[in-house]
Amino acid sequence: KAGVTQTPRYLIKTRGQQVTLSCSPISGHRSVSWYQQTPGQGLQFLFEYFSETQRNKGNFPGRFSGRQFSNSRSEMNVSTLELGDSALYLCASSLGLSRDNNEQYFGPGTRLTVT
Amino acid sequence: GDSVTQMEGPVTLSEEAFLTINCTYTATGYPSLFWYVQYPGEGLQLLLKATKADDKGSNKGFEATYRKETTSFHLEKGSVQVSDSAVYFCALSSNFGNEKLTFGTGTRLTIIP
Repeated sequence: KAGVTQTPRYLIKTRGQQVTLSCSPISGHRSVSWYQQTPGQGLQFLFEYFSETQRNKGNFPGRFSGRQFSNSRSEMNVSTLELGDSALYLCASSLGLSRDNNEQYFGPGTRLTVT
Repeated sequence: GDSVTQMEGPVTLSEEAFLTINCTYTATGYPSLFWYVQYPGEGLQLLLKATKADDKGSNKGFEATYRKETTSFHLEKGSVQVSDSAVYFCALSSNFGNEKLTFGTGTRLTIIP
């Protein structure tokens, strides 16, 4: 079974621009979560989608948004990029159906650099 | 709120040494507990999990036991290899329906031959 895939793997953007990252979950997984990883703040939860609905949201400004499509693929968007948005953005998928199978499987990440 | 405290790294060990990485947590209810590993330039890989008190998760020679009385989930391995060099993250998920993972700061492990 194919794992979680993320595109693109690397991205360089300029301050003020916007960016869209894509995530394809493991087949059959309906929950997709997004995390930001930085050396200073570590791994922080952005949001989670389940069956096209945002189910949970972390403490990030409104510039960070996401969506999920009917095939469970997800995108996240960051508008008006700031230097501090430079990070590794990780997507994770899970079945999201019960406590006994709630483990999340991560993609390789998208490395975003804002200059 | 939920939080995970992990032992500070970096940790350097010789091959075949015994490994312990401490992890304690604070959470409401009965969280699920996880250990993830991250190799250079890669995403996180699930190493093991436990969903209730006294459960022992195990994989690839690594073990961790869910201790509710001490709110701990320490990672252990009896004999480490050079290939175990990576960053290890302890994490929790509060309850079903809340897929948010709360991570510790990570422990960098280096194994020298």
